[in-house]
Amino acid sequence: DAGVIQSPRHEVTEMGQEVTLRCKPISGHDYLFWYRQTMMRGLELLIYFNNNVPIDDSGMPEDRFSAKMPNASFSTLKIQPSEPRDSAVYFCASSFSGRADDTQYFGPGTRLTVL
Amino acid sequence: KQEVTQIPAALSVPEGENLVLNCSFTDSAIYNLQWFRQDPGKGLTSLLLIQSSQREQTSGRLNASLDKSSGRSTLYIAASQPGDSATYLCAVSGSARQLTFGSGTQLTVLP
Repeated sequence: DAGVIQSPRHEVTEMGQEVTLRCKPISGHDYLFWYRQTMMRGLELLIYFNNNVPIDDSGMPEDRFSAKMPNASFSTLKIQPSEPRDSAVYFCASSFSGRADDTQYFGPGTRLTVL
Repeated sequence: KQEVTQIPAALSVPEGENLVLNCSFTDSAIYNLQWFRQDPGKGLTSLLLIQSSQREQTSGRLNASLDKSSGRSTLYIAASQPGDSATYLCAVSGSARQLTFGSGTQLTVLP
């Protein structure tokens, strides 16, 4: 299994531009999570999906952020317009509710820099 | 709101020492607790997961314990090696499965 796949690994953009981050969860997993990691705030949950349906988006910082999961094998996190304070590492994780232990498996992350 | 605290923030030990990392959480109504390892510039690797009904889990040189009633967990690393150098993160899961993370302990094992 290839694990959770994220793209791009690094993104540098200018303030005001649209940014789209992509995630492919582990095949068969029914939960998908988006997290953001910064030095100041650590790791924070942004949104998560169960069976492609958004369950809790209370961690999404503001309306500039949106996430979709059109099918079980793909999710996007979009920031429009981007701002310098959005600079962070964005992680995608997936898990399978059928496992007794519910371990979350993380992707390598996308390092976003907004100039 | 669940809050997770990890102490110490940083730890430096000589190779071969046994060490303990601490994690505390404010709401004991957790589903499980996970310990992760994060290497610089990398993603998170799950080390151990303890269900709320369990008291400990072991994997190789690692042993994690959970005292849900007091809101505490420890990660014990035996015979530490330079390759163990990383940031160790504790995270608790509520019934909705989302994780709340601590700020991590940065471990350096000196050869």
